Order: sequence, then structure tokens, then C-alpha cells
Amino acid sequence: GAVVSQHPSRVICKSGTSVKIECRSLDFQATTMFWYRQFPKQSLMLMATSNEGSKATYEQGVEKDKFLINHASLTLSTLTVTSAHPEDSSFYICSARDGRLAGVRNTQYFGPGTRLTVL
Amino acid sequence: DAKTTQPNSMESNEEEPVHLPCNHSTISGTDYIHWYRQLPSQGPEYVIHGLTSNVNNRMASLAIAEDRKSSTLILHRATLRDAAVYYCILRDNFGNEKLTFGTGTRLTIIP
Repeated sequence: GAVVSQHPSRVICKSGTSVKIECRSLDFQATTMFWYRQFPKQSLMLMATSNEGSKATYEQGVEKDKFLINHASLTLSTLTVTSAHPEDSSFYICSARDGRLAGVRNTQYFGPGTRLTVL
Repeated sequence: DAKTTQPNSMESNEEEPVHLPCNHSTISGTDYIHWYRQLPSQGPEYVIHGLTSNVNNRMASLAIAEDRKSSTLILHRATLRDAAVYYCILRDNFGNEKLTFGTGTRLTIIP
């Protein structure tokens, strides 16, 4: 299947700093990328959807000024957690799909996740 | 989004088949049934998806009821590496492309 990478895999930062997480599609062009957040023992919650070259669409309750998403190319999307606080500590997961493809190749593929710990 | 219902947890012995059920009684005609699994501390992994007919791939089989109100993911011979949370998700291929994750089924494999 298609490969999606995330970097870094783990980050620890001080409260008030900003953290950038990268999501890359390695062997396909991702017209759409999604960002999820997962707290311990809970399911994945969609934060936002981004289409290449346009502004991200945020889910209800997600602060767009706090979670900045950029999808400037067909292989890269970034999520920046601005002024991070301990309650932002979570497992952040991206996924990507190529909406131009049909059938199973239109599937969403997920990255390995980034564990953010804010002290 | 149409909702799915899965058991919270299941156990199976290693090297035996596993049948993971999913109910989706409000499924619409254009909803595909997708299955993903999430191993501990990893992102979800695509397993299989289908619309009406049963589907097979190298990972699993998907059996879809004739009325499409339920489906079953079949792992033919479970290994310890199959221990994960399995999510059954409906996705409309002609409109909303979001995947909405429920609580899934936590599968434990007994050696």
C-alpha cells in the first residue's frame, strides 16, 4: 500500500512554544490530507481536512488559529501547534489520499503518528 | 455520517480464524464499508473495503450481508501481530470523504 510518513515521531516541548509536525506522502500525490488527534484510550478525532493549495477546513471546536495547517504541495502538509499547553499533549496522526484515483487507490492512508508532550 | 456498532472487545486464540462483526443498519446506498486497524502507538492501517459483494485481499476477507446492514471482517488465521483495535467505518464515496472513527473492537490474541 501507499506510504505516509510523519516527522518527528515524538516531541517534547515547553509550554508556550510552537511545534511543527510534517506529513509526507512518499509514493503518491495527496490531493487531500487529514489531521487527527487521539487522546489515550480514545478513538481518533478528525481535526481538519486540507486540499492542496487551499485553506484547511476545520472541524467544529478546533481552533484554526491554534492549529495551523499548510498543504502547499501534493506531497507535504504541516500542522503547527502554536503556543502549546499541556492539554495539547496528544497523539497527532495525519492521513492522505489521492482523490483523482478510483477504487482502492482512492483509500486514505495514515502516517505513523507524532506523540506530542507539552511540559 | 451513518453510524456503526461494534463489540468493545474480543479474544481469539492464535492460529484460529477471527470474525469481527459490525452493524450498520442506517447505511445508505452509496456508503462503502471500510475497515482499518490500529496497532498500539501507531497510525491506523487500511485493511479492506467493499460495497455489496464479499471482498478478499492478502490481509483479510470482508463478508457483507445481503441487506448491507451488517458486515464481518474475517482474519483467516490470527497471529499475535493481529492484536489491534479494528474500526469499521462507513464512507460515502460520492460526497463526504471524511472517515469518522468510532470506538472499534479491541482484539486480543491468546498465544
